[in-house]
Amino acid sequence: NAGVMQNPRHLVRRRGQEARLRCSPMKGHSHVYWYRQLPEEGLKFMVYLQKENIIDESGMPKERFSAEFPKEGPSILRIQQVVRGDSAAYFCASSGQGGASNQPQHFGDGTRLSIL
Amino acid sequence: SQKIEQNSEALNIQEGKTATLTCNYTNYSPAYLQWYRQDPGRGPVFLLLIRENEKEKRKERLKVTFDTTLKQSLFHITASQPADSATYLCALAFSGNTPLVFGKGTRLSVIA
Repeated sequence: NAGVMQNPRHLVRRRGQEARLRCSPMKGHSHVYWYRQLPEEGLKFMVYLQKENIIDESGMPKERFSAEFPKEGPSILRIQQVVRGDSAAYFCASSGQGGASNQPQHFGDGTRLSIL
Repeated sequence: SQKIEQNSEALNIQEGKTATLTCNYTNYSPAYLQWYRQDPGRGPVFLLLIRENEKEKRKERLKVTFDTTLKQSLFHITASQPADSATYLCALAFSGNTPLVFGKGTRLSVIA
C-alpha cells in the first residue's frame, strides 16, 4: 500500500512538551498539506509544502508551530510547548501535481494528539 | 466573511433511495469544488472534483452539480447502500494555488 502514511497514530504529551508528527506522502508525490480537525469541526488548513519549501503557511499559528519537508525523509509538523488547546486530530495530505486545490488530495489517517 | 454550510449535520435515508447533500457558500467565487468521504477514525477520501465552468460531474452512483448563481453544490448518491454511511465533506478553493476550505460535513446514515 503506497498511500499517505502518518505516524504515530496516537500521541500523548504533557503540557510544555514537544510533539512531532510525521507524514510520508504517496510515492511520487512532492506536495504535502497539513490540516487540523477538532471534534464536530471541519478540517482547517495549516500549511502547504513542497520539497524543501514552504509554499503557504497562512493557516499555521505563528508561534510554537513549524513544518518542514526535507529533500529526504518525511514531512514533519512540530509543536513546541504544547498546551491543552493543541489536542486535535492532525491530518496530512499529498498530491502529485502543482496547485493546492485543483487536484485530488490523498489523506493519511491522521495523528490524534492528546495533551494531558 | 467567507462561509461554507453543509445542509445538515446528519441525514438519515432508506436503502435504495437517493441521498442529496447540499453545500452552500457565501462571499466566495470558488474556482474548484471537491467532495470527500470520511469514515470514523480515518482520513478523508477524495470522491469528485468539479470546476466552476462545469455544471455536473458523475462517477458511478455519484453525481455532483455546481451552480455558481445559487452558490450551491449538490451531491447525490443514487441507489444508496448501508456502506455509503459516512460523513461527506465539501471543500472550496478560489484558485488552484489557494488552500482548500472545508465545510463541517454531513453525516449520512443509510438504513437497511
